[in-house]
Amino acid sequence: SSELTQDPAVSVALGQTVRITCQGDSLRSYYASWYQQKPGQAPVLVIYGKNNRPSGIPDRFSGSSSGNTASLTITGAQAEDEADYYCNSRDSSGNHPTWVFGTGTKVTVL
Amino acid sequence: EVQLVESGGGLVKPGGSLRLSCAASGFTFSSYSMNWVRQAPGKGLEWVSSISSSSSYIYYADSVKGRFTISRDNAKNSLYLQMNSLRAEDTAVYYCAREAVVVPAAAYFDYWGQGTLVTVSS
Repeated sequence: SSELTQDPAVSVALGQTVRITCQGDSLRSYYASWYQQKPGQAPVLVIYGKNNRPSGIPDRFSGSSSGNTASLTITGAQAEDEADYYCNSRDSSGNHPTWVFGTGTKVTVL
Repeated sequence: EVQLVESGGGLVKPGGSLRLSCAASGFTFSSYSMNWVRQAPGKGLEWVSSISSSSSYIYYADSVKGRFTISRDNAKNSLYLQMNSLRAEDTAVYYCAREAVVVPAAAYFDYWGQGTLVTVSS
């Protein structure tokens, strides 16, 4: 099965821009989706498809992809954006379709 | 409002069994594939299993294949996970998640439950 690799941790100054990347072979065939998870809470979808935000997600969150890499960008990071972020995609590399999650990135807002 | 509420977690001994449930409301449950995703303490997310809307397609992660069984009852708007031969490494919060699809290349989990904790320990 495929793997999705993320940087373990990144930090960003309040109001600045941070990009989180996700690399893996499955991303050549499938779009990544991105999830925000705060301590003790369930994950929340923030980006899906080419660059779509669910209702209620601020427009400072955006997504992009190229080749085997997907990116989540937070433009003008806020204190409430401090969280763990996971990418995710379908995976058809095995005998049957599965899903794969990234290793996760902890975002700290300074 | 879409709601997913898991239940059935708890403490179980290695080798034991547990059945998780996920009660869905606020949407047409029978129209969506559903998934179980777990998260071990302090660790990342791990996909466990998926089931299509009519139960025609069922898939498992290698780590649980042969031990876990996913099922659903569309009449009761409920998703289940029967977990047998439990191991310490199955200790995790288990989430149910609704699967949405824009196009085949763009699928995602748009709603998640709050999770239920399964602890496997002697």
